[in-house]
Amino acid sequence: GEDVEQSLFLSVREGDSSVINCTYTDSSSTYLYWYKQEPGAGLQLLTYIFSNMDMKQDQRLTVLLNKKDKHLSLRIADTQTGDSAIYFCAEVSHGGSQGNLIFGKGTKLSVKP
Amino acid sequence: NAGVTQTPKFRVLKTGQSMTLLCAQDMNHEYMYWYRQDPGMGLRLIHYSVGEGTTAKGEVPDGYNVSRLKKQNFLLGLESAAPSQTSVYFCASSGDGYEQYFGPGTRLTVT
Repeated sequence: GEDVEQSLFLSVREGDSSVINCTYTDSSSTYLYWYKQEPGAGLQLLTYIFSNMDMKQDQRLTVLLNKKDKHLSLRIADTQTGDSAIYFCAEVSHGGSQGNLIFGKGTKLSVKP
Repeated sequence: NAGVTQTPKFRVLKTGQSMTLLCAQDMNHEYMYWYRQDPGMGLRLIHYSVGEGTTAKGEVPDGYNVSRLKKQNFLLGLESAAPSQTSVYFCASSGDGYEQYFGPGTRLTVT
């Protein structure tokens, strides 16, 4: 079945770059997403990439997509303490015209001052 | 615009009790979703709706029912709560089936 895998933890120092990695299984996924969840809050859509792209940049965020390896990454430049959160990778599930998302378990990013 | 709101924010139930969680959105979105989030499990889709009057099962639908009588509201019901349904429940809506906007969540504990 469809699956999305992420490492569970990442720790970086303030000012460094963070790279959060994700692998997915559904090669037919049209969109891939990154969501951010701060403690006690809902999920906030950070960015997404269409499957015919290999890179998308949005201010401090860079998304890289390697379709051959089914690998997605999120790079946060100049990481700040306010970036500490759980980051979820998600793909649109098979036949997902309804937008059904399959989420990874989330990567907890800790930013040390 | 309030976006996506959920009621209540917290609830404690005893095993066997019933309750309804309400999700409301003011963005005129067609698609609405209910997810549950458990520690170490990520989010899993319970039920979803592609428009007023429609509902469909997601990945983990057992023990839950839903209704979408009005376009702006999506209700999630637990007829007989079980401890395994202790979780944080998130509602989301989408206008195009791709960008989903999430509510703040409802923390449910079943004892």
